This record gives sequence, C-alpha cells and structure tokens, in this order.
Amino acid sequence: QVQLQESGPGLVKPSGTLSLTCAVSGGSISSSNWWSWVRQPPGKGLEWIGEIYHSGSTNYNPSLKSRVTISVDKSKNQFSLKLSSVTAADTAVYYCARWAEIAAAGRSAFDYWGQGTLVTVSS
Amino acid sequence: DIQMTQSPSSLSASVGDRVTITCQASQDISNYLNWYQQKPGKAPKLLIYDASNLETGVPSRFSGSGSGTDFTFTISSLQPEDIATYYCQQYDNLPRTFGQGTKVEIK
Repeated sequence: QVQLQESGPGLVKPSGTLSLTCAVSGGSISSSNWWSWVRQPPGKGLEWIGEIYHSGSTNYNPSLKSRVTISVDKSKNQFSLKLSSVTAADTAVYYCARWAEIAAAGRSAFDYWGQGTLVTVSS
Repeated sequence: DIQMTQSPSSLSASVGDRVTITCQASQDISNYLNWYQQKPGKAPKLLIYDASNLETGVPSRFSGSGSGTDFTFTISSLQPEDIATYYCQQYDNLPRTFGQGTKVEIK
C-alpha cells in the first residue's frame, strides 16, 4: 500500500519561499507514475500545482509556473515543492498525490494522496 | 485551460434518496473525467475514473456517465457516510483541472 506524507513549515512570511517535501513509502518513486502537488485554500476547491516524473520531467500549472519548482530525490524516495514570492493567497492545505496512468485499464487518476499540510502565509 | 463547471454547488437530500451531480467541460474531453469524494479534513478519494468506471472497493451505489462535455455522477441511495464534497476532474489536457465541488448534506 503506497503512502505519501507531506512535511515542511506551517508558516511562511509574505514574499518568502514555501518549501514542502513528500515522502513516498510502500512503493518506488521510480515507478511509472507522475508525482503531483495539489492545493486547497480554506473553504475552497482543489487546484493542481504541478507534477514530476522520476526522470525529472515536470509539468506545471501555467498560473503558477513562474514561481514553482518541483524536484525529485530518488535516493530518499521523495519529491519536493518550492513556491516563491508567496502572498496570503497562497495560504492553503497542500497535498501531494500520485497520478497513475494504467493504459490497459483506461485508468488515469490521482489514486493515492497524502493527508495534507496547512501552510499559512503571514507575517 | 479547460474549465469544469459543476452543479449544484450544494444539495440537501434524505437518506435513501437518489442524488445527481452534473459536470460540464468547456470543451470536448471525451471520457477523460474522474470523480472524487472529499470528507471534511481529509484528502480526496477516487470514486470513478474514465467517466464511468468504479474504482476498486467503492460501493456500487456510486456511478458515473457521460462523454464529450456533459457528465453525471449519481448516488443511487444516499447513505449518512456519503456526506462530503464531490469533485469532477478532467485529464484530457494539462493543466489538470477540477470542478468547484458539490457539497452533499443530509436533510
């Protein structure tokens, strides 16, 4: 059973950089999946931030692309998110999730999620 | 970006009722649509993939249908444990986008 666990500071100052890590257990980050970040502002809906493949290939949401960097550390079986120049609008619960594509089953979805971590942007 | 519009934003129904949520895409996404359930304080959970396929272990009272731009999610007999917010999500194009959610409550 794959498990994901987010970690990082819960409070970031405005104009600073938000940094989170997602540790993957029960499976290899080098498997044929994309590893994603999704966020949810308090009381609002879900927003996809971006994703990374174990090769280092990345896809980002254009709305955040100029501020986002996602990286992978295969030796530690984890991946990370950095979001720069944060404002109060970046206050949200941040989830890491696995995007799995199983062509034979026609199945492509976020099938495993971390529990989420609240990051507040405030001075 | 492909915009996903869900309706209604919220609904209240009685236990045993049939509940239907719709999701409309701003362009044709074929059947590249998933449905998730999110309970308060929890991560989303995959219920339906590829518009109409039930994820393993998900009760059969949940179902999905549709293709192109119009999709439907149904709970055939609402149970107390189904209280949650439900989201559709398209994967035809990047960025992956979600509907705004439908909050389901018990009357």
